[in-house]
Amino acid sequence: DTEVTQTPKHLVMGMTNKKSLKCEQHMGHRAMYWYKQKAKKPPELMFVYSYEKLSINESVPSRFSPECPNSSLLNLHLHALQPEDSALYLCASSQGGGDWSPLHFGNGTRLTVT
Amino acid sequence: RKEVEQDPGPFNVPEGATVAFNCTYSNSASQSFFWYRQDCRKEPKLLMSVYSSGNEDGRFTAQLNRASQYISLLIRDSKLSDSATYLCVVTSGGYQKVTFGIGTKLQVIP
Repeated sequence: DTEVTQTPKHLVMGMTNKKSLKCEQHMGHRAMYWYKQKAKKPPELMFVYSYEKLSINESVPSRFSPECPNSSLLNLHLHALQPEDSALYLCASSQGGGDWSPLHFGNGTRLTVT
Repeated sequence: RKEVEQDPGPFNVPEGATVAFNCTYSNSASQSFFWYRQDCRKEPKLLMSVYSSGNEDGRFTAQLNRASQYISLLIRDSKLSDSATYLCVVTSGGYQKVTFGIGTKLQVIP
């Protein structure tokens, strides 16, 4: 069982829709991440929140908008996506504040943009 | 040169065999090293951290060679359930800069 929970597990949306992905962790971790993974590729970093503040944005298009309401929650708001945005979106968390802190991933949301 | 390089495989090995994967990294300032396992259409799961002194967890042994800038993963007595993609992960600049290798696919055959 994963300690990082993502909802929904699957999402199909049209290019004009607005939807949100949600992520929750109760491990007391202070760093939270969004990754995007396409088939047969490694996860690709999108955003990092550190102590609830956005610390890394890997030049992600503005149609992806992250939000960290509190230390346990991380959202990814989606608007006007393109079919090529279809992928597995992974949330992860880590303790933060140190080097020896592995990432713990959620189950992911499999997104299909039609 | 890629920051983290792995042979994508696939490695097809018979049950009971010993198999080893290497991963090289280019940033000499890299600080933390991990092996993750990812099953098809699932999330990556931490397999083990890799320490300078090397570490072992059951059938799995991980080694770090800072001088040559590579880490390795050895799996002994392979099981069918070991079939997965093994991702090498390297961090630098603190916990936020996390780089994944492309992953090495292992298929254990009966």
